[in-house]
Amino acid sequence: SQTIHQWPATLVQPVGSPLSLECTVEGTSNPNLYWYRQAAGRGLQLLFYSVGIGQISSEVPQNLSASRPQDRQFILSSKKLLLSDSGFYLCAWSSRGKTQYFGPGTRLLVL
Amino acid sequence: GNSVTQMEGPVTLSEEAFLTINCTYTATGYPSLFWYVQYPGEGLQLLLKATKADDKGSNKGFEATYRKETTSFHLEKGSVQVSDSAVYFCALREEGYGQNFVFGPGTRLSVLP
Repeated sequence: SQTIHQWPATLVQPVGSPLSLECTVEGTSNPNLYWYRQAAGRGLQLLFYSVGIGQISSEVPQNLSASRPQDRQFILSSKKLLLSDSGFYLCAWSSRGKTQYFGPGTRLLVL
Repeated sequence: GNSVTQMEGPVTLSEEAFLTINCTYTATGYPSLFWYVQYPGEGLQLLLKATKADDKGSNKGFEATYRKETTSFHLEKGSVQVSDSAVYFCALREEGYGQNFVFGPGTRLSVLP
């Protein structure tokens, strides 16, 4: 069966520091991959999605970036965090035309 | 563009009460529709889905029917439990490149004993 992992589970970082969040999927190949952000008490905002290695589409302009170095690995990065980057970051995967499945999330607090 | 609207809540009910969370959508073509549930501190879990008009999705006592004529996908449960307390998200899957999901803002449900 397929599983999706995210780490770290929780992260506290100072403003201006770099960020790297990792997401990996097991048990499937060539999935679509997604990064979402959920601000406290709010809905989901799609940040990036990828339909293949090296293919990244950005939904909103911001100081975050994403990369997909391997088929089942999706990384969310920032060179300098802002206070407004605090939130709950969710990774998700789907097979072509199928349901989207979410990871457990990473809670990021920028101080 | 495509969009999903749902009652934002919070919704507070007593145990065994009837639940309805309204969801309407705007989309071109014929999207698939989903309800996800998020328990505190966790990621989203698929609750149910429907892929075409008049389909009824059901799971764990929850039901939703894809109504094309009213562009709606309302979530219902006949008798809620305290363990149903969570945030519920309505979503549609777009057709085309990436087949991205569009989520509603979520509805927080609290069920009191």
